Amino acid sequence: QSALAQPASVSGSPGQSITISCTGTSSDVGGYNYVSWYQQHPGKAPKLMISDVTKRPSGVSNRFSGSKSGNTASLTISGLQAEDEADYYCTSYTNNNTLVFGGGTKLTVL
Amino acid sequence: DVQLVESGGGLVQPGGSLRLSCAASGVTVSNYWMHWVRQVPGKGLVWVARINSDGTTTSYADSVKGRFTISRDNAKNTLSLQMNSLGADDTAVYYCARGSSTSCSFWGQGTLVTVSS
Repeated sequence: QSALAQPASVSGSPGQSITISCTGTSSDVGGYNYVSWYQQHPGKAPKLMISDVTKRPSGVSNRFSGSKSGNTASLTISGLQAEDEADYYCTSYTNNNTLVFGGGTKLTVL
Repeated sequence: DVQLVESGGGLVQPGGSLRLSCAASGVTVSNYWMHWVRQVPGKGLVWVARINSDGTTTSYADSVKGRFTISRDNAKNTLSLQMNSLGADDTAVYYCARGSSTSCSFWGQGTLVTVSS
């Protein structure tokens, strides 16, 4: 199972919005509404930000939102803040009854 | 404190075995799917395995299938990962996580496994 494709890096200024894409195939992202997004700060464990494409866990800021179109899922962060600078990973359920992560995207807040 | 604590990591020779444990304190895991996810320092996350709440259903990444076994003891609130035939590619920080069948909502801090002679 190949990793989902994410841009290596994205950047934005405080207050702006950014979108991170996560591209798979019809065997994973496109075939199921089971895409999740995780935030990971250096030296820390990952934190779930979005599950099931669009669901935001309790305690996660509503500045974070998820969507999907075809084989590509997206994470949008609005009103960028310095604390949002981190690595972001998507993951999807696959038709092999497994999960697969994306390669990760480093978000820089300028 | 509410936490998942991994243990059992360390240095092991190629071809060797290691058993990781994940102990839950202040948090119930018996009603949840549990996952193992690994990460080579400085690299990305890789899903390894998952197990359902009663331990009757498991699945594995192709890279570890046949070598790793995930199990759980709900009476002890613990999760395990038996790792056999270890190779250098298995060197990573191993995280346990609680969640659903398709997402991980609560993570431990990880334990480092180093496979080297």
